[in-house]
Amino acid sequence: QQQVKQSPQSLIVQKGGISIINCAYENTAFDYFPWYQQFPGKGPALLIAIRPDVSEKKEGRFTISFNKSAKQFSLHIMDSQPGDSATYFCAASMYGNKLVFGAGTILRVKS
Amino acid sequence: DAMVIQNPRYQVTQFGKPVTLSCSQTLNHNVMYWYQQKSSQAPKLLFHYYDKDFNNEADTPDNFQSRRPNTSFCFLDIRSPGLGDAAMYLCATSIRQVTGTQYFGPGTRLTVL
Repeated sequence: QQQVKQSPQSLIVQKGGISIINCAYENTAFDYFPWYQQFPGKGPALLIAIRPDVSEKKEGRFTISFNKSAKQFSLHIMDSQPGDSATYFCAASMYGNKLVFGAGTILRVKS
Repeated sequence: DAMVIQNPRYQVTQFGKPVTLSCSQTLNHNVMYWYQQKSSQAPKLLFHYYDKDFNNEADTPDNFQSRRPNTSFCFLDIRSPGLGDAAMYLCATSIRQVTGTQYFGPGTRLTVL
């Protein structure tokens, strides 16, 4: 019940296209859903996060869509660029406590 | 800039030779975490400190220990590194029960020969 399932495992998108990564969870007590971006040899960096009281949050080219009833959330990267090529992790936590990470998605944007 | 700093960035040790990794933060966060991340995997939480209270994950091997002498610093000690301990070690901080946001350091890449 503590798991967060992330898909796909890897993704190739053409420059300018939309990248979509999906996550699903079981524990309805989760109240915070961040996405982290990680480049090779670097630590994960917070990209965008959402709480379950909103269905969508947008920051620049990055959007989180949240479906509370389906217990799913997704990351959309609009106008994907080669510089977006990285590993993306979704995560969930409850009451500000430790994060439960998804398995990660390796995104490659082809120029 | 407030940040999470890890030293060294790269560490090479010999099989069985103790090694210490360090983490410091200028964010004044009360929670500090240590993660192990192997290639193409998600970070795996080893333990965390809430102020001085130590919280060990159930599956963290006894070979891994930690110290937090003050708010700013936290150390990861690997008492007898094995080949399977070669990984990226990540330190992170957060303010507990506020947002859940964790801020990660750049990591220390540990190689065991």
